[in-house]
Amino acid sequence: LAKTTQPISMDSYEGQEVNITCSHNNIATNDYITWYQQFPSQGPRFIIQGYKTKVTNEVASLFIPADRKSSTLSLPRVSLSDTAVYYCLVGGYNQGGKLIFGQGTELSVKP
Amino acid sequence: ETGVTQSPTHLIKTRGQQVTLRCSSQSGHNTVSWYQQALGQGPQFIFQYYREEENGRGNFPPRFSGLQFPNYSSELNVNALELDDSALYLCASSLYGTGREKLFFGSGTQLSVL
Repeated sequence: LAKTTQPISMDSYEGQEVNITCSHNNIATNDYITWYQQFPSQGPRFIIQGYKTKVTNEVASLFIPADRKSSTLSLPRVSLSDTAVYYCLVGGYNQGGKLIFGQGTELSVKP
Repeated sequence: ETGVTQSPTHLIKTRGQQVTLRCSSQSGHNTVSWYQQALGQGPQFIFQYYREEENGRGNFPPRFSGLQFPNYSSELNVNALELDDSALYLCASSLYGTGREKLFFGSGTQLSVL
């Protein structure tokens, strides 16, 4: 199972764009990259998933370079409510629900 | 709201006791995974059940056991509780349990072992 490395913490201000980069050097060919968000005392919540290039949904964008050894979660115009821990995970079809969570990135958004 | 419900929300036990945590998966999902999250850490995979069979296990001792029922709800049982078992226990459901799927997590059960 591919291991991921993310910054432990990041600070931002309301209205700014936040980019969180994740390193996954040992990603396998059939692995997908998924990001989850977690608030205190709650379970993680799915944000976005991708395989290569760029994926965008209503809350975030995910950028994956051609070698897929890293990925960047982009949160446009963050608000105070985006203060949370963000986890990057990689997994494939044969992995089941056995997701490997790292320590995640604790994002603090200030007014 | 994910549709995944866990009970109880909080629990206090003493060392050596046994505990049962419960999870109702989202409608239509036949796979349940359990995770343990210690304070300040990411969730750690305990095991997964697919159609009532355990089909994957993390690095947890046998005193952590589980069940999945025909309606796909699930239980996590922990025997001989230790102080280090104090954590948030999360249940997640999905349709097939593949690494590509979106997992839907419940809000967890906060277990304190004294």
